[in-house]
Amino acid sequence: QVQLQESGPGLVKPSETLSLTCTVSGGSISSYYWSWIRQPPGKGLEWIGYIYYSGSTNYNPSLKSRVTISVDTSKNQFSLKLSSVTAADTAVYYCARRITMVRGGRYYYYMDVWGKGTTVTVSS
Amino acid sequence: DIQMTQSPSSLSASVGDRVTITCRASQSISSYLNWYQQKPGKAPKLLIYAASSLQSGVPSRFSGSGSGTDFTLTISSLQPEDFATYYCQQSYSTPPGFGQGTKLEIK
Repeated sequence: QVQLQESGPGLVKPSETLSLTCTVSGGSISSYYWSWIRQPPGKGLEWIGYIYYSGSTNYNPSLKSRVTISVDTSKNQFSLKLSSVTAADTAVYYCARRITMVRGGRYYYYMDVWGKGTTVTVSS
Repeated sequence: DIQMTQSPSSLSASVGDRVTITCRASQSISSYLNWYQQKPGKAPKLLIYAASSLQSGVPSRFSGSGSGTDFTLTISSLQPEDFATYYCQQSYSTPPGFGQGTKLEIK
């Protein structure tokens, strides 16, 4: 079955760029959308954005100016870059697969497989 | 952005109880609503998608209902492993936001 694993630095300095990679194993990255979600300590979930395996993206408007999500199909990986980070970006970052289901002419979306998450702390 | 509001924010219940969690959207989202379960230190797990469809492998004691702005997640008979935080999420528009969560605790 498909598994996702986040990787990247656990500590990032303020004003620098947070960079994370999600490696997909047990299946191909092709034909799916792939998402990033984060969760600040003790708080709820925030969707960051997603990328299609072909490279098209969609970002949360609240983060759009600072976010870049990219994909490397040859490595079965996709990545997140978040620039100009502050302490407010401290969170557990999750990657997830987004499923598109068509029913009755409607398109439903949900995230069915998640990585275990990686903690990123922004501090000098 | 569509705002998702869950109630209650926390809930105490006993094993065997029937529990209902409510999620309300700030505008109509048809049936574009998902439910996730999250245990401490773990990633969220998909329970219900499209408001009422049970994800494969999820016990049948979980069910979802609703359409438009009001939705419910029901656990018919609580089991010890069900004590967790539950989140609703709308998939009607970008950004696909989550509710603030409902923490289900043991009474």
